[in-house]
Amino acid sequence: ETGVTQTPRHLVMGMTNKKSLKCEQHLGHNAMYWYKQSAKKPLELMFVYSLEERVENNSVPSRFSPECPNSSHLFLHLHTLQPEDSALYLCASSQILQGTDTQYFGPGTRLTVL
Amino acid sequence: RKEVEQDPGPFNVPEGATVAFNCTYSNSASQSFFWYRQDCRKEPKLLMSVYSSGNEDGRFTAQLNRASQYISLLIRDSKLSDSATYLCVVKAGSARQLTFGSGTQLTVLP
Repeated sequence: ETGVTQTPRHLVMGMTNKKSLKCEQHLGHNAMYWYKQSAKKPLELMFVYSLEERVENNSVPSRFSPECPNSSHLFLHLHTLQPEDSALYLCASSQILQGTDTQYFGPGTRLTVL
Repeated sequence: RKEVEQDPGPFNVPEGATVAFNCTYSNSASQSFFWYRQDCRKEPKLLMSVYSSGNEDGRFTAQLNRASQYISLLIRDSKLSDSATYLCVVKAGSARQLTFGSGTQLTVLP
């Protein structure tokens, strides 16, 4: 399935590096999301872009910076990360409708911070 | 109290068994409910939405009890391929964000 793609699939970086995660959705959706999944913890919503509005989880550190240039592309810029930021970062998209709007996930980027 | 609570398991069942997972949620304003499935080292995928009247999709049956704030998933005639982590997911009203449970791990044994 190629509805939501993410690159890179794996990333190892040092604490002083700057890198970016990329997500692209081919489903014509109007909302995109970044989630963090750490071992043994529930998925944690980081950022939402919908209808040109950005919503963020206030607990996300400023070393994570999202960018959404259009409805099909979403980036997560990373800088001066910490080892505890190592996790699976999942992108999702949905079509906002009245009532339910199902989210479809990309395969994720597995990030390791050394 | 967690917003969405699930028994983490693991549930180890033989092929052909019937297994049920439960989930409770704390936000009474929640309006949309889902079960997602996540295979090891893969992304979550929607298994089924959960409707007030209950719904069935093949071997899978989902139930919702709003009064008790409780959702269930029943899997009949378990297959080896059903082995995965099952995530209970809740959405409150018009909010964009989904709230995920930690998941229940199922292993179906030959």
